Amino acid sequence: AQTVTQSQPEMSVQEAETVTLSCTYDTSESDYYLFWYKQPPSRQMILVIRQEAYKQQNATENRFSVNFQKAAKSFSLKISDSQLGDAAMYFCASARGFGNEKLTFGTGTRLTIIP
Amino acid sequence: DAGVIQSPRHEVTEMGQEVTLRCKPISGHDYLFWYRQTMMRGLELLIYFNNNVPIDDSGMPEDRFSAKMPNASFSTLKIQPSEPRDSAVYFCASSPTSGIYGDGTQYFGPGTRLTVL
Repeated sequence: AQTVTQSQPEMSVQEAETVTLSCTYDTSESDYYLFWYKQPPSRQMILVIRQEAYKQQNATENRFSVNFQKAAKSFSLKISDSQLGDAAMYFCASARGFGNEKLTFGTGTRLTIIP
Repeated sequence: DAGVIQSPRHEVTEMGQEVTLRCKPISGHDYLFWYRQTMMRGLELLIYFNNNVPIDDSGMPEDRFSAKMPNASFSTLKIQPSEPRDSAVYFCASSPTSGIYGDGTQYFGPGTRLTVL
C-alpha cells in the first residue's frame, strides 16, 4: 500500500516570494509516479507537476519545481515568485507502476498568498 | 479538447432517492477513475476502468454504490438509496494509456457536489 503525508495543513507566503510545500510518501513499489495537484476555490483539480521515480533529475514547470529525494521518500514543491493566483489547496499524490492506477493523495496544504 | 465533463455540477436530493452522476472522459483516454472528496476522508478512489472494464472497485463503500462504463465516452456512478453521509464532491478523471515510462497523468473533471438531505 502507498501512503502520502503532508505535514503542513496551512502555509502562507508574501506575493513574489518563494515557498516550499512538504510531502513524504511510503511505497514498496520500484516504479511509481509522484504528482502535485492544485485545487483552487473552484474545486477543479489541476495538475501542477509530475515526477517519474526512475528519473533523478527534478521536474520543473515554469515557477514550479520539485525537490525529489528518493532515498528519503520526500517530494517537496517549490513555488517561486508567488502570485495571487497560486492561492489554493495543494495535494501531493502518488501512483504505482506507470501511473495508470489509483492516485493516493495526501491531506493537502492550504496556501495563502499575502499581497 | 473540452476536458473531462461531469454532470450535474450540483445535486441536492433527499435521503432514500436514487442519484446518478455522469462523466464523459477526454477522447482517446483509456482509463477512467471515480474519486470522492470529503472533509473527513479527503480524496479517495472509488473505482477505475480500463477500456470500459472495471479494474479495481475496492474503494466502493457499499452495495448502494454502482458504476458502469457502457462505452469509451460515458460512465455513470449511481447511489441507490442515497444517505446523508454520501454528501461529498465526486470527481471523475481520465488518463491515456501509458507505455513503458509513459504518461500516467490523470486529468480531472470539475466535480459534482452532492448534498443528501
